[in-house]
Amino acid sequence: AQRVTQPEKLLSVFKGAPVELKCNYSYSGSPELFWYVQYSRQRLQLLLRHISRESIKGFTADLNKGETSFHLKKPFAQEEDSAMYYCALRPYNTDKLIFGTGTRLQVFP
Amino acid sequence: DAGVTQSPTHLIKTRGQQVTLRCSPKSGHDTVSWYQQALGQGPQFIFQYYEEEERQRGNFPDRFSGHQFPNYSSELNVNALLLGDSALYLCASSLQRGEQFFGPGTRLTVL
Repeated sequence: AQRVTQPEKLLSVFKGAPVELKCNYSYSGSPELFWYVQYSRQRLQLLLRHISRESIKGFTADLNKGETSFHLKKPFAQEEDSAMYYCALRPYNTDKLIFGTGTRLQVFP
Repeated sequence: DAGVTQSPTHLIKTRGQQVTLRCSPKSGHDTVSWYQQALGQGPQFIFQYYEEEERQRGNFPDRFSGHQFPNYSSELNVNALLLGDSALYLCASSLQRGEQFFGPGTRLTVL
């Protein structure tokens, strides 16, 4: 079955602390993986994708095929990082996105 | 460019009724995907339209149907509404295999 699991509903940290939002996936082929973010009162938007291997707003994510994980990391959290984060998988040769249930990140001052 | 727009913003219906939701894609995009997001859940893929045809479909019953117009805008229709259809309905536009840009959503409440 194709599935994305985000085990934490809520992650609370203080400003300046490291952050890791966990994402595990179930897929038999080679997936494309994404992180989407939704800030308060804004629409869902793409944060980063594994194929670009870039850092956006200080966030990085590495695809670990052995552990079937795509965790999102940031070394020093900022208050403006507070948002809902969704991990998503796109199966090969399709356009549909399969989302996890999301993790709410709260960064306290 | 206003990006992806959806109408209406909110909608209240009763069980058994039918509803139509509308989506205008981002300028230059030709593909529209629809997602249902229940409370506390991630978005779930309903279907995708490209060149006025349904190209892919998720695990949703035939009560959910759609249409794409020549100007690439799209409608989502849901017949015989159930209480469980209450959700936020998201539209996303893209070019084929490109980044999906999401609209603000339509909040449907079924009483």
